[in-house]
Amino acid sequence: EAQVTQNPRYLITVTGKKLTVTCSQNMNHEYMSWYRQDPGLGLRQIYYSMNVEVTDKGDVPEGYKVSRKEKRNFPLILESPSPNQTSLYFCASSLSTGSYEQYFGPGTRLTVT
Amino acid sequence: GDSVTQMEGPVTLSEEAFLTINCTYTATGYPSLFWYVQYPGEGLQLLLKATKADDKGSNKGFEATYRKETTSFHLEKGSVQVSDSAVYFCALRDQAGTALIFGKGTTLSVSS
Repeated sequence: EAQVTQNPRYLITVTGKKLTVTCSQNMNHEYMSWYRQDPGLGLRQIYYSMNVEVTDKGDVPEGYKVSRKEKRNFPLILESPSPNQTSLYFCASSLSTGSYEQYFGPGTRLTVT
Repeated sequence: GDSVTQMEGPVTLSEEAFLTINCTYTATGYPSLFWYVQYPGEGLQLLLKATKADDKGSNKGFEATYRKETTSFHLEKGSVQVSDSAVYFCALRDQAGTALIFGKGTTLSVSS
């Protein structure tokens, strides 16, 4: 089944404790992206990657890092999480840029205390 | 920069009522337009899309027409069902194709 998977689905952590949210897709997509969803703000792009070893900032990249060493994986790294990073995070992928549909993962709900 | 504005919710309807969710956009060039739906506890799913002016996207009884002259992409359904209860997001893909720009979402609640 074609899908985007994320782990963990739920995470509660403390300020400053480094964490990684994994994202994997099995559709051989070139493009991958991370979004955060906050009430009243919709979804905002954090980082995106157009191919292996090619990443770029989205609208809200501060406090996040990403890497794209393999085509299928695009982990999101929070080196020193803060409470304002409490949010619902979605990974997405698409065949390429342009009008191609983006497929979304199920989401990771992160709480930073 | 590019932006999407959609009507505030929540929208509460009875089963079989007509649905309209308004969406307007601001963008350079000719972006592709999308409606995504998010059911409770799930990720976003593409509902329909349109890639050029006057295109009509349709799926599951939902429709939306890309209107360049009014920069709009309103979502409509003639007869909603309880199972349509969800959050609906209007979005555009920017000219570079590197990001989806989302509206804030509209919550639809349908009662029987």
